[in-house]
Amino acid sequence: AQSVSQHNHHVILSEAASLELGCNYSYGGTVNLFWYVQYPGQHLQLLLKYFSGDPLVKGIKGFEAEFIKSKFSFNLRKPSVQWSDTAEYFCAVNAPRYGNNRLAFGKGNQVVVIP
Amino acid sequence: GAGVSQSPSNKVTEKGKDVELRCDPISGHTALYWYRQSLGQGLEFLIYFQGNSAPDKSGLPSDRFSAERTGGSVSTLTIQRTQQEDSAVYLCASSEERGETQYFGPGTRLLVL
Repeated sequence: AQSVSQHNHHVILSEAASLELGCNYSYGGTVNLFWYVQYPGQHLQLLLKYFSGDPLVKGIKGFEAEFIKSKFSFNLRKPSVQWSDTAEYFCAVNAPRYGNNRLAFGKGNQVVVIP
Repeated sequence: GAGVSQSPSNKVTEKGKDVELRCDPISGHTALYWYRQSLGQGLEFLIYFQGNSAPDKSGLPSDRFSAERTGGSVSTLTIQRTQQEDSAVYLCASSEERGETQYFGPGTRLLVL
C-alpha cells in the first residue's frame, strides 16, 4: 500500500526564516505528487503539484518543491516565510496509471510563523 | 467559478443515529472522492466515483458507511448507527478526470455524542 511520510509534525519559525518540509513516499511506480495547504479555518487548497517534466516545481505564494525520484522524495521549500504562511501542510501521492486514483496523505506539518 | 460545496457544515448527532452528508462537486468534474480527516488518523480515503463506473469503496471503514452519486453529480455519504469514533471532518473532492488535481470542499464536521 502507498504510504507518505512527513517528519517534524510541528514546526515553529520566525518570519523571514527559510522553510523546508520533507515528504517521502513508498510506491515504486509512476506517481503524481501534491502539496496541499490548510490555513486556519479554511479548507484544503492546492499549493503545487508534479506530474512529469521539470522536477523542480513552483507553486503559489513563493513555494517550490523538488521531486527526487531516486530518493522517493518531494520536499517543499520556501526561502523566506511570512506570518501568513502559518498553516498545516500536507503531502499527497496518487498513482492513477495503476488504477489507484485515491490520494494518500502524509500526517501533515503544522507550521507556525512567529512575527 | 463555484468550488466544491458540502452540507451541512457541522452536524451533531447522538450515538446510534444515522446521518447523511452531501457533496456538490465542481460542475463538469467526473470524478468525486470522499475523505475523512480525524486527529488520530489524519486524512483517509473513503470512496471514489468515476463517471458511470462502479465506485471504489475500498476505503470505507465498515459496512455502516455507504455512499451514492446520483446523475453523475451530487453525492451523499451515509453513516448508519453512528459511533463516537465516527467523529471527524468529512471532506469531499472532485477532479476533471482520474488522476487530475483534486479540489476539496470545506468539509462537514461531524460530532457524535
